[in-house]
Amino acid sequence: GAVVSQHPSWVICKSGTSVKIECRSLDFQATTMFWYRQFPKQSLMLMATSNEGSKATYEQGVEKDKFLINHASLTLSTLTVTSAHPEDSSFYICSARSWDSTYEQYFGPGTRLTVT
Amino acid sequence: AQSVTQLGSHVSVSEGALVLLRCNYSSSVPPYLFWYVQYPNQGLQLLLKYTTGATLVKGINGFEAEFKKSETSFHLTKPSAHMSDAAEYFCAVSYNFNKFYFGSGTKLNVKP
Repeated sequence: GAVVSQHPSWVICKSGTSVKIECRSLDFQATTMFWYRQFPKQSLMLMATSNEGSKATYEQGVEKDKFLINHASLTLSTLTVTSAHPEDSSFYICSARSWDSTYEQYFGPGTRLTVT
Repeated sequence: AQSVTQLGSHVSVSEGALVLLRCNYSSSVPPYLFWYVQYPNQGLQLLLKYTTGATLVKGINGFEAEFKKSETSFHLTKPSAHMSDAAEYFCAVSYNFNKFYFGSGTKLNVKP
């Protein structure tokens, strides 16, 4: 099956710094990528949808200036958490969908961000 | 707002016993319905889906789910649990295949 990787799997950063999370589709071209956030014991919440070469579409309530998403190629999307605060600590998951898929999205294993 | 409710954050069954994981959605319009499984340190993997047609759908690893419109439910079942089924299971709904609403997940423990 299609594989999506995320890097890093776990990151700790200091409050006020920025951190970048990468999401890569390893064996297919992802025209659309999704970024989710998951709080402990809660469901995945969609943060934004990005199409290759276009600006990301953010869900209501998600600060686009804080969570910068770039989908510059068909195999790579990045999420940059800028000026991180402890409340940004969470589990971030990306998923990717191929150009020839209607609904199926392939998920990365997630990145745990801890802001101290 | 749409919501997906998974009853029971933890479910424990004995090996060989029936697995029943519950999922209900809140919507007057029937959505597309999905079940995903997540093994430790891996991404969510699609188990099965309901889009149209037969309301009883079969997925991988012997799992199946039935869409019941009158009950707004899409419960996941497997007749006989195996140790390898231990994982976290997520129910999800979508109306346009772009935005998915996920339940909070159910961790399945299988006892030997």
